[in-house]
Amino acid sequence: DQQVKQNSPSLSVQEGRISILNCDYTNSMFDYFLWYKKYPAEGPTFLISISSIKDKNEDGRFTVFLNKSAKHLSLHIVPSQPGDSAVYFCAASAYSGGGADGLTFGKGTHLIIQP
Amino acid sequence: DAGITQSPRHKVTETGTPVTLRCHQTENHRYMYWYRQDPGHGLRLIHYSYGVKDTDKGEVSDGYSVSRSKTEDFLLTLESATSSQTSVYFCAISAGTGLSTDTQYFGPGTRLTVL
Repeated sequence: DQQVKQNSPSLSVQEGRISILNCDYTNSMFDYFLWYKKYPAEGPTFLISISSIKDKNEDGRFTVFLNKSAKHLSLHIVPSQPGDSAVYFCAASAYSGGGADGLTFGKGTHLIIQP
Repeated sequence: DAGITQSPRHKVTETGTPVTLRCHQTENHRYMYWYRQDPGHGLRLIHYSYGVKDTDKGEVSDGYSVSRSKTEDFLLTLESATSSQTSVYFCAISAGTGLSTDTQYFGPGTRLTVL
């Protein structure tokens, strides 16, 4: 079963508008969430993260919102720029007590910024 | 950018042959990870290491082994490659506080094709 879900395989947004990417999770042990951006033929690049003790984290044009009761997080990009066109992965981590034992990823959302 | 390199970047091999992929880091980070990315699956954890000679299995470890004899190098071995192991392989590192809030940084990937 998929513990991290990104239900929109693709999203098209006009340049200058807001892009909203969504992610849902099922495992209540997850306490740290990250967004990665990936261009073709490159490795994922860390974008922004949020701890479960917060409900919002902002970094420049990027803001991540966490709703723990709904097990939902979203990434807002404002304003959207052509260079934002990429695949965005939502990822989650849980403290297992023995160490940071890897991330659980969603399947990704392909964001396309239209000029 | 985190100092992570992967070699080779591309490899084509035949079914039944052994294959070793190398991840090298210059950050002196404690934790290293191997993921594979396949269409429709996002990234999935294969194995990870929390120190020299300390490794553990991830979600999709069958058919893979790993070794870490030095802090900077993490090797992934396919003892007898199969077509189902055709994928893009990513290495990641984290500073290794052991907490789930450790951010992972990814290498550029190795594209492996098993014929």
